[in-house]
Amino acid sequence: KNQVEQSPQSLIILEGKNCTLQCNYTVSPFSNLRWYKQDTGRGPVSLTIMTFSENTKSNGRYTATLDADTKQSSLHITASQLSDSASYICVVSAFKRGNNRLAFGKGNQVVVIP
Amino acid sequence: SQTIHQWPATLVQPVGSPLSLECTVEGTSNPNLYWYRQAAGRGLQLLFYSVGIGQISSEVPQNLSASRPQDRQFILSSKKLLLSDSGFYLCALSPEGGVLTFGAGSRLTVL
Repeated sequence: KNQVEQSPQSLIILEGKNCTLQCNYTVSPFSNLRWYKQDTGRGPVSLTIMTFSENTKSNGRYTATLDADTKQSSLHITASQLSDSASYICVVSAFKRGNNRLAFGKGNQVVVIP
Repeated sequence: SQTIHQWPATLVQPVGSPLSLECTVEGTSNPNLYWYRQAAGRGLQLLFYSVGIGQISSEVPQNLSASRPQDRQFILSSKKLLLSDSGFYLCALSPEGGVLTFGAGSRLTVL
């Protein structure tokens, strides 16, 4: 079973609308959680990184939330633009025995249409 | 700032042929380097990681290998490609286990 589950797998939204992507994880012990944006055919680019003590972090029109108790994170996109069309990947880090191990979600595929 | 260069960007190879994908980094020293593969509809799969020159850890048994001949160079190789090796290969670095920075990727198609 994948340690990081993302939903919805894909969604289509109208330009200018908001959307929220979900990430549930079972990774332990939790170190941090990151959201990446991956444009088609390109490498992922970091959007936000959140540690255990952080509940919310924003990067422009992207706002990530973290609930470490329920092991859930969300990425909210405000006033979507065509350039937001991409895959959004949730990555959870566990720090165990001196090693930083990463677990990747399969991504949320977002398509913004005019 | 840290940058990662990957090449070639795209590659089409016949089954059984060799492979060499190169990754070089700039703007950092002694980084942790990683090779990931991303198959269609699937998450990123860690293939190899390296914490220093000549130090390679393999995460998944397969017909691929990796080498780190220099601090800022990471190479992914195969002696004989399989159809299942097709995918999008990403090189990444993290300074001492920090946030991953990814390269632009190399698209490999094995026919």
